[in-house]
Amino acid sequence: GAVVSQHPSRVICKSGTSVKIECRSLDFQATTMFWYRQFPKKSLMLMATSNEGSKATYEQGVEKDKFLINHASLTLSTLTVTSAHPEDSSFYICSTPGLAGAGSYNEQFFGPGTRLTVL
Amino acid sequence: GNSVTQMEGPVTLSEEAFLTINCTYTATGYPSLFWYVQYPGEGLQLLLKATKADDKGSNKGFEATYRKETTSFHLEKGSVQVSDSAVYFCALRGGSNYKLTFGKGTLLTVNP
Repeated sequence: GAVVSQHPSRVICKSGTSVKIECRSLDFQATTMFWYRQFPKKSLMLMATSNEGSKATYEQGVEKDKFLINHASLTLSTLTVTSAHPEDSSFYICSTPGLAGAGSYNEQFFGPGTRLTVL
Repeated sequence: GNSVTQMEGPVTLSEEAFLTINCTYTATGYPSLFWYVQYPGEGLQLLLKATKADDKGSNKGFEATYRKETTSFHLEKGSVQVSDSAVYFCALRGGSNYKLTFGKGTLLTVNP
């Protein structure tokens, strides 16, 4: 199956700083990337959908100015948590559909996730 | 809106025991149903899926049947192995919408 990588795997930062998380599709071109957030003992929550070359679509309740998403190439999408605070501490996961650009999206391929801790 | 409720863990079993992880859902229309598995340190992987009522998804000895009458998609395996230790997520995708709605995940630990 497709391989999706994320970097870094874990990051600790001070309150008020910004953190960038990278999500790469390693063996195919991904026109669409999904960004999820996972709280402890909670399900994954879709934050936003990024499409290569256009603005991301954010889910209701997600602050687009706080969680900046860039999808500048077909293999890289980035999530920047701006002015991070302790409540932003979470596990962030990206994924991409198996068939780039197709309408079925029967399967999504997930990255291993990034653990963010804001002190 | 769509929602998925799955059995809360953790679940601890001995090798070769029978596994059931319950999953029920609420959705409009005719959703597709999925089980994803997350092994330690890895991303979520699709384990099996079913796209219409009465379909049975199966993979690696795991099975789940799409039951519309009970809105359920319970995961079963007749004989678990230590290597099955992971977190299992039930999920649904409603209609033609690509968005996945996940359950909270169930941690399974299989002891030798």
